[in-house]
Amino acid sequence: RKEVEQDPGPFNVPEGATVAFNCTYSNSASQSFFWYRQDCRKEPKLLMSVYSSGNEDGRFTAQLNRASQYISLLIRDSKLSDSATYLCVVRYGGSQGNLIFGKGTKLSVKP
Amino acid sequence: DVKVTQSSRYLVKRTGEKVFLECVQDMDHENMFWYRQDPGLGLRLIYFSYDVKMKEKGDIPEGYSVSREKKERFSLILESASTNQTSMYLCASRTGGKAEAFFGQGTRLTVV
Repeated sequence: RKEVEQDPGPFNVPEGATVAFNCTYSNSASQSFFWYRQDCRKEPKLLMSVYSSGNEDGRFTAQLNRASQYISLLIRDSKLSDSATYLCVVRYGGSQGNLIFGKGTKLSVKP
Repeated sequence: DVKVTQSSRYLVKRTGEKVFLECVQDMDHENMFWYRQDPGLGLRLIYFSYDVKMKEKGDIPEGYSVSREKKERFSLILESASTNQTSMYLCASRTGGKAEAFFGQGTRLTVV
């Protein structure tokens, strides 16, 4: 069974804090990994892809550990606008493969 | 700007009604998907399509069917709506070579 597991949160942090989300996936044949962001009552949108060597986009850093089947997202210097649900997403089965979504981790950044 | 459009944001239907949810994308994407999203359960795949007139079952196809007569349009059909199909329905599309999926704004369906 293909599963993606995340801590549901909520994570309540003050502005400026650093927060980390973790995700594990069950199928070692997984090929691609992503973090999506979903604002309240909105559709999910791609935040960033996750590469084997780790990658950074501004305040966001994503890491992948294939051996442990583990993905992480680090947000530095949290902003109020970072408040959202963060979805860990895994693709199986090649370029036509489906995306499997975790249930999401809710982040609330407080003033 | 890429666009996936779902025909309705909110819909209220009666038990037993046949319900059509329409999704149109303007990006010439091969792949289209229907998900439902429920609190505590996340996004679950109902059906997907890799090409016109092709369809594949996802994880929870029971009670649903789909139609893809044109590349840009993917319809989800609830043959006989039931209260346990009350949910947020999200359509998505992506091209085969890339992973980013683009979602419609969602249809919140209530079956009474």
